[in-house]
Amino acid sequence: DQQVKQNSPSLSVQEGRISILNCDYTNSMFDYFLWYKKYPAEGPTFLISISSIKDKNEDGRFTVFLNKSAKHLSLHIVPSQPGDSAVYFCAASPSHGSSNTGKLIFGQGTTLQVKP
Amino acid sequence: NAGVTQTPKFRVLKTGQSMTLLCAQDMNHEYMYWYRQDPGMGLRLIHYSVGEGTTAKGEVPDGYNVSRLKKQNFLLGLESAAPSQTSVYFCASRTADRGYAGELFFGEGSRLTVL
Repeated sequence: DQQVKQNSPSLSVQEGRISILNCDYTNSMFDYFLWYKKYPAEGPTFLISISSIKDKNEDGRFTVFLNKSAKHLSLHIVPSQPGDSAVYFCAASPSHGSSNTGKLIFGQGTTLQVKP
Repeated sequence: NAGVTQTPKFRVLKTGQSMTLLCAQDMNHEYMYWYRQDPGMGLRLIHYSVGEGTTAKGEVPDGYNVSRLKKQNFLLGLESAAPSQTSVYFCASRTADRGYAGELFFGEGSRLTVL
């Protein structure tokens, strides 16, 4: 039972264009969402996050959009650069009030290739 | 600034052998986690700990044991390795200060192959 789903295993875009990575979730208890980037032979690194009280969060070239009613979030990268080529993981944090454990549920990942 | 350090980084085991992966963090984080990454499966939580002396099961705990005897260390053990445990293992940690809304900091990973 995959609670966080990234249905596109891979995405290829041209340098300078927009990259849009999508993520769907099923658990309405998720209140906090994150995107991680992972290069080969390295650990995932935090990219950007969004709380469920917002529908958009922006950090430089990266913007995350959240549509709670559709249980969908997306990561936009504008403009895309070759150095953005990596695996991107969507993650969600279940909120359980005072008993939270901070654990994250991850999607399967999307491999982004940005062509020069 | 070491952050999260995992040892060993690579290991090859034979079926039935045992081993321990060590995770050490120097950020004084309360929470620590062990994930495994498999192709097409993303990162799946094995076990986690919310403080020294405490551990809990994640999504895929079978075949693994953990211990958190010191705040900075989180050990993942395989008592009798199986080929299905061939994977890349990631340790992560985070502060408890931000409640549920905080990012995890990951180590570089440990690649384990079970023959």
